[in-house]
Amino acid sequence: NAGVTQTPKFRILKIGQSMTLQCTQDMNHNYMYWYRQDPGMGLKLIYYSVGAGITDKGEVPNGYNVSRSTTEDFPLRLELAAPSQTSVYFCASSSYRDRVDYEQYFGPGTRLTVT
Amino acid sequence: DQQVKQNSPSLSVQEGRISILNCDYTNSMFDYFLWYKKYPAEGPTFLISISSIKDKNEDGRFTVFLNKSAKHLSLHIVPSQPGDSAVYFCAASAKGNEKLTFGTGTRLTIIP
Repeated sequence: NAGVTQTPKFRILKIGQSMTLQCTQDMNHNYMYWYRQDPGMGLKLIYYSVGAGITDKGEVPNGYNVSRSTTEDFPLRLELAAPSQTSVYFCASSSYRDRVDYEQYFGPGTRLTVT
Repeated sequence: DQQVKQNSPSLSVQEGRISILNCDYTNSMFDYFLWYKKYPAEGPTFLISISSIKDKNEDGRFTVFLNKSAKHLSLHIVPSQPGDSAVYFCAASAKGNEKLTFGTGTRLTIIP
């Protein structure tokens, strides 16, 4: 049981390039989330999904896109990278069972630098 | 608009003593609170949680206290150990809401 896995661990992008951050969970969780963490800040929600085929915007969605074609995978797409997207990105999942299980399980993160 | 606030960016505590980490919130709809621990280069891991129907929850060396009238919660670690050195995030959720709102974190350093 690997939990939540993220690839790549590190990436350097040039301004205007695109990339996809991969996230996979093997816990059969319906709910998945993408966060970014900037230095000295908390985790800000970018996008989330309550199940395959359903996604919604979080607090800071601009410059990102997501898709959820399977329960296991929730990729995050950056179309035109900007220096403001330099951050550490975390993917998380939860079962949110019976609306009482709020615990989210996090991946190890992707450190992205845009120069 | 920071709905969950951790006003102490850092805290240093002697090994064996009690560590107290604080968290304040402004949204009265929040009714479930969690603490996460984060080591460098790793994702946050769940530590302990508390529902608004309780004022205390204990798990081994970790106790979380909730004061709803003051909109304040605290995490007590006793005795503190070197492995407790990490960043601690407070998070909150409103009933029926699958999203969490996180504080900015407190870096705890345990001094041997």
